[in-house]
Amino acid sequence: DSGVTQTPKHLITATGQRVTLRCSPRSGDLSVYWYQQSLDQGLQFLIQYYNGEERAKGNILERFSAQQFPDLHSELNLSSLELGDSALYFCASSVEASLETQYFGPGTRLLVL
Amino acid sequence: GQSLEQPSEVTAVEGAIVQINCTYQTSGFYGLSWYQQHDGGAPTFLSYNALDGLEETGRFSSFLSRSDSYGYLLLQELQMKDSASYFCAVSYNAGNMLTFGGGTRLMVKP
Repeated sequence: DSGVTQTPKHLITATGQRVTLRCSPRSGDLSVYWYQQSLDQGLQFLIQYYNGEERAKGNILERFSAQQFPDLHSELNLSSLELGDSALYFCASSVEASLETQYFGPGTRLLVL
Repeated sequence: GQSLEQPSEVTAVEGAIVQINCTYQTSGFYGLSWYQQHDGGAPTFLSYNALDGLEETGRFSSFLSRSDSYGYLLLQELQMKDSASYFCAVSYNAGNMLTFGGGTRLMVKP
C-alpha cells in the first residue's frame, strides 16, 4: 500500500459524458501527478500539481483538466469522453516537486462505451 | 521529442540474473528511473540514477551512462514474484517532465 488513494476504482460511462477522478496523496506529499495507461499508448504523463499550483503539463488533452485543492487532494476531470479514453488512470504523489521518486495509487479503470 | 527503447519481453529462470536495457534520446536529460508493475497493479518505484554508475538496492541494481544515453536494470537471484513489467522513465526539463518507456515484460520460469 503506497498511501495514495484513488476513487472510484472502476467507472463505466458513455461517450460524450463527463467524469471526475479523485486522488488523495500520501500524508505530507505536496506533489500530485496524473497518468493515463492504455494498452497501445503505455504510461503517459498528463499533468503535475505542486502545493496547489500546476507545475508541469504532459500529453493532456484539452478535454481533460485537473486541479489540486488546499487540502492537497486532486481531481482529474475528463469531458466529452470518447471510446479511446478508456484506460487506467493513475495518480502518484511525491514529497517535493521532483518526478524521480513517486508513489502510485491503485488507479481508476475507466471504460467508455 | 523524447524517446526510450527497451525490450518488450524477457524470459529468465528462477535464481538467474537478468538485465533489462533502456536507451533514450532526450534533450535536457535529468535522470533515469525504473518502475515495476505487476499485472493489474500500480507502478512501484525501484530506483533512480542521475549520475553515471551503479546504484544497488538489494537484489536490484540500476546503471546509467549519460554519455551513451543508456541505462539498465539488473535483477539478481530471480524469484517468481519478479514476473512483472518493468518501465524505464527519463526525467528532463530540469526534472519537471517525465516520459516512460513502453515497458519490458519479464517472465520468470521455474
